[in-house]
Amino acid sequence: DAKTTQPNSMESNEEEPVHLPCNHSTISGTDYIHWYRQLPSQGPEYVIHGLTSNVNNRMASLAIAEDRKSSTLILHRATLRDAAVYYCILRDWEYSGGGADGLTFGKGTHLIIQP
Amino acid sequence: NAGVTQTPKFRILKIGQSMTLQCAQDMNHNYMYWYRQDPGMGLKLIYYSVGAGITDKGEVPNGYNVSRSTTEDFPLRLELAAPSQTSVYFCASSLTLYNSPLHFGNGTRLTVT
Repeated sequence: DAKTTQPNSMESNEEEPVHLPCNHSTISGTDYIHWYRQLPSQGPEYVIHGLTSNVNNRMASLAIAEDRKSSTLILHRATLRDAAVYYCILRDWEYSGGGADGLTFGKGTHLIIQP
Repeated sequence: NAGVTQTPKFRILKIGQSMTLQCAQDMNHNYMYWYRQDPGMGLKLIYYSVGAGITDKGEVPNGYNVSRSTTEDFPLRLELAAPSQTSVYFCASSLTLYNSPLHFGNGTRLTVT
């Protein structure tokens, strides 16, 4: 079963902020929240990750709810180059004789940027 | 800085043929992964490795085999290719399990006819 839930698609205008939501209501205390994006015909690219506190880097900001059951990836000023599929995953390791439940990506959110 | 390198970029196989997808990383990462991505879908984990000599199954391991004889290389073997294995295959590596980014290669697009 998917550990995260994201909208299938979102649309935004160029040069405006974008807030991409992710629900992870069954998150455990040791799960890190990771975000990746995938441009067409490329491999996924790391964006940001965090555990409890909000995080910022040169690409984006990650806002984590106080109960950690949801998070939001914030692109402060979207450009056409930000059009991609964005994946929210929980990095968790459940080593119980095989399988790595926390390493599967769902379908993600297809972000469309209008000029 | 090469990162994760996958070869070949494209390949067409006939049903029943075998092949090895190559993956190499130059970041001295212990953890390596193989994913497949079907059209319009997310990535599914095939196999992973936590270090040289140690591998384990992911979500969709049937029809594939892996080995990890060195830290740098993590080849994926397809035996008796089937049309259901038509997909894009991505290799990734990471420094730690929880708290470091996954670094992905650019993928191998495989078609089985």
